[in-house]
Amino acid sequence: GAVVSQHPSRVICKSGTSVKIECRSLDFQATTMFWYRQFPKQSLMLMATSNEGSKATYEQGVEKDKFLINHASLTLSTLTVTSAHPEDSSFYICSARPGISDTEAFFGQGTRLTVV
Amino acid sequence: DQQVKQNSPSLSVQEGRISILNCDYTNSMFDYFLWYKKYPAEGPTFLISISSIKDKNEDGRFTVFLNKSAKHLSLHIVPSQPGDSAVYFCAASAGGGADGLTFGKGTHLIIQP
Repeated sequence: GAVVSQHPSRVICKSGTSVKIECRSLDFQATTMFWYRQFPKQSLMLMATSNEGSKATYEQGVEKDKFLINHASLTLSTLTVTSAHPEDSSFYICSARPGISDTEAFFGQGTRLTVV
Repeated sequence: DQQVKQNSPSLSVQEGRISILNCDYTNSMFDYFLWYKKYPAEGPTFLISISSIKDKNEDGRFTVFLNKSAKHLSLHIVPSQPGDSAVYFCAASAGGGADGLTFGKGTHLIIQP
């Protein structure tokens, strides 16, 4: 299957700082990328949908000013957690879909964020 | 309100036998369903999917059954192998899969030798 690379895989940051997570589709162009969050022993929760060249669509309850998403190219989307708080500690996963009509989404390896 | 439910947090199956993982959904707008396998600290790996126009899809050892009237789907793995031990997530999407996925909480499958 197609490869989606997420970086970093693990990051520890101090409260109040910002952290950027990158999601790259390595062998295909992704018109749409999704960002998910998973708390321990919980399901993956969709945070936002980003389309290349346009603003991201956030799910209800997700603060768009806190979780900044940029999908500047067809192979790269970034999630920036601003003014990180310990409550933001979680596992963040991106997925990318090759085309509008393609239904299979490929997932990155995930990023474990710990805010201390 | 959980729209995709996996009511069994864990399931233990003997190697060589059939593993059956169940999933229920409540949103009638869902028309595309997927199963993912996930190891700790890794992203989910796609296993198999099914569109709502079908009631069965098979790929090797994996078969997914969809009962639209009951809003229920199941994943069958046969024969089960030790490498199948992982957490399995059921996911659903509307708009033919164009929307983001709604996941269940997962079922931890343990294959016993």
